[in-house]
Amino acid sequence: QSVLTQPPSVSGAPGQRVTISCTGSSSNIGAGFHVHWYQQLPGTAPKLLIYGNINRPSGVPDRFSGSKSGTSASLAITGLQPEDEADYYCQSYDRSLSGSVFGGGTKLTVL
Amino acid sequence: QLQLQESGPGLVKPSETLSLTCTVSGGSVSSGSYFWSWIRQPPGKGLEWIGHIYYSGSNNYNPYLKSRVTLSVDSSKNQFSLKLGSVTAADTAVYYCARREHYYDSSGYYEEYFHHWGQGTLVTVSS
Repeated sequence: QSVLTQPPSVSGAPGQRVTISCTGSSSNIGAGFHVHWYQQLPGTAPKLLIYGNINRPSGVPDRFSGSKSGTSASLAITGLQPEDEADYYCQSYDRSLSGSVFGGGTKLTVL
Repeated sequence: QLQLQESGPGLVKPSETLSLTCTVSGGSVSSGSYFWSWIRQPPGKGLEWIGHIYYSGSNNYNPYLKSRVTLSVDSSKNQFSLKLGSVTAADTAVYYCARREHYYDSSGYYEEYFHHWGQGTLVTVSS
């Protein structure tokens, strides 16, 4: 069972907007630690998508955006494209673990 | 361009020690700006942070794995390594090495994330 909670799956049609939630606790997200997001295409390593709650690394389209409030964070994807079909993971720092914790992952299906 | 590449046996027997090495190119493990990490992913499951190490040898391990994990750095070969002892089938996973970025946020909190990853290597624990 993962420390951060994500929905197992979400789906949307091409062009639509979807959001993926990530819920933590008072020892990680709720304590004020930032949330980072990764995209994992089938059979590949995770790729950094969002860092520091809202920042996109160079090369990540602005269709991807992050937000955080309280003990939760969200990843929004607008203008869904078939190539967005992947697993998405959130990650934060946990003061109880003194290290990083991940969500269980959310599988995005583009209908 | 920074690249990381995991290497090591793909099959380990139960109770034995899993050993993996990550070779870094396009950057130096001796850079004072980064920690070097291991993360694993059991088949069909999520990601689990194993631990990280600084070039000086300073390290931090996941407390749930701490008793079985040893990380090391070989600056002369630009590599860092993972040893996981007393393995069981539950340790079967894809193991990733990654470079950990860190910064202090506006509240003074220490933040970390993983920007660069190796391609991963599957290690199966089976007799």
